[in-house]
Amino acid sequence: GAVVSQHPSWVICKSGTSVKIECRSLDFQATTMFWYRQFPKQSLMLMATSNEGSKATYEQGVEKDKFLINHASLTLSTLTVTSAHPEDSSFYICSAMDSNQPQHFGDGTRLSIL
Amino acid sequence: AQKITQTQPGMFVQEKEAVTLDCTYDTSDQSYGLFWYKQPSSGEMIFLIYQGSYDEQNATEGRYSLNFQKARKSANLVISASQLGDSAMYFCAMREYTGGFKTIFGAGTRLFVKA
Repeated sequence: GAVVSQHPSWVICKSGTSVKIECRSLDFQATTMFWYRQFPKQSLMLMATSNEGSKATYEQGVEKDKFLINHASLTLSTLTVTSAHPEDSSFYICSAMDSNQPQHFGDGTRLSIL
Repeated sequence: AQKITQTQPGMFVQEKEAVTLDCTYDTSDQSYGLFWYKQPSSGEMIFLIYQGSYDEQNATEGRYSLNFQKARKSANLVISASQLGDSAMYFCAMREYTGGFKTIFGAGTRLFVKA
């Protein structure tokens, strides 16, 4: 089946640093990639949708300057949390899809900001 | 407005029995897709089953079946012959095809399978 690789799976860093999370579709070309954030015991909250080669579309309330998304190729999207602070600590999950297919998810990244 | 509603925060089921997880949705689109995902404690999202709005038959995938009632806007997941490994969080999701394939998720139902 389709595989999406997300890296790193766990990040602990100091407040003020920037953190980059990568999301790769390994065996298909992802025309669209999505980034979600999930707080403990809550549902997935869509942060942004990105299409290869174009700017990401951010959901209301998500700071685009805080969460930089780059979708440079059909197999790679990155999320950079800039100047991270403790309130940015969360579980971030990417997903990818090709045309009208089910989304396939990465295994998520647990981000802890100290 | 809440578009995906899962009214059962938690459910218990005896091993080997069937269980139904409820999901209702709200959309004005004629064309949409409904999905169920499983999220174990390790965090990864596992795709289980898909139902298209134009599909006349209920989707089935192994022990999973989707009870799709379009007029009632419900898409309940039925798990037959529950196994201990089915204990997880289950999310119902809907993709509307206007506005760019965005998929939104319900609040989830945590399923506990008892031995």
